[in-house]
Amino acid sequence: SAVISQKPSRDICQRGTSLTIQCQVDSQVTMMFWYRQQPGQSLTLIATANQGSEATYESGFVIDKFPISRPNLTFSTLTVSNMSPEDSSIYLCSVEDPRTRYNEQFFGPGTRLTVL
Amino acid sequence: SQKIEQNSEALNIQEGKTATLTCNYTNYSPAYLQWYRQDPGRGPVFLLLIRENEKEKRKERLKVTFDTTLKQSLFHITASQPADSATYLCAFSNDYKLSFGAGTTVTVRA
Repeated sequence: SAVISQKPSRDICQRGTSLTIQCQVDSQVTMMFWYRQQPGQSLTLIATANQGSEATYESGFVIDKFPISRPNLTFSTLTVSNMSPEDSSIYLCSVEDPRTRYNEQFFGPGTRLTVL
Repeated sequence: SQKIEQNSEALNIQEGKTATLTCNYTNYSPAYLQWYRQDPGRGPVFLLLIRENEKEKRKERLKVTFDTTLKQSLFHITASQPADSATYLCAFSNDYKLSFGAGTTVTVRA
């Protein structure tokens, strides 16, 4: 199964600044996903990032606010731009590993973001 | 719009008992659903998948049922142990996109 790491694990940021979160996978994967998990709530898909193409954003999320890069098959970044306290959340990346039986998703440990 | 609801209350049970978690959905016809476990400060970990044409799936002490008429999945942890304490998430999908419920927190008392 895929092993995923994220950086940073947590951060405290000031309003109006931006933070870039990195996601590294130990194997090549086609599809990578970025989720947000607000306190006490479910995971919400932000966007799907495929290598070599623009990310596909879900309703309510836009590229200007959450730009995503996917330079190769093992790495992606998510930037949270012009942050406000409402962006305080856990951000998780995940991948679908086609080598597994069910194509289940494997998640990174998450980045806990607090915006003051 | 699609809606996924899990037990709203946290579940506290005695070690050795069976925990039963509920996941209901509306305005949705998923092809399959998955159950994940999430520990504090960690990302979700896949447990089981069941397809719409399957009634039941088992893995060790875990059992999942899927009733497309009731639009409901039940997740059972039998012979529960304190190590089973975690939040359990259901997720539905028709393709690669997963829609998650808010999760149910289970605490197993020794």
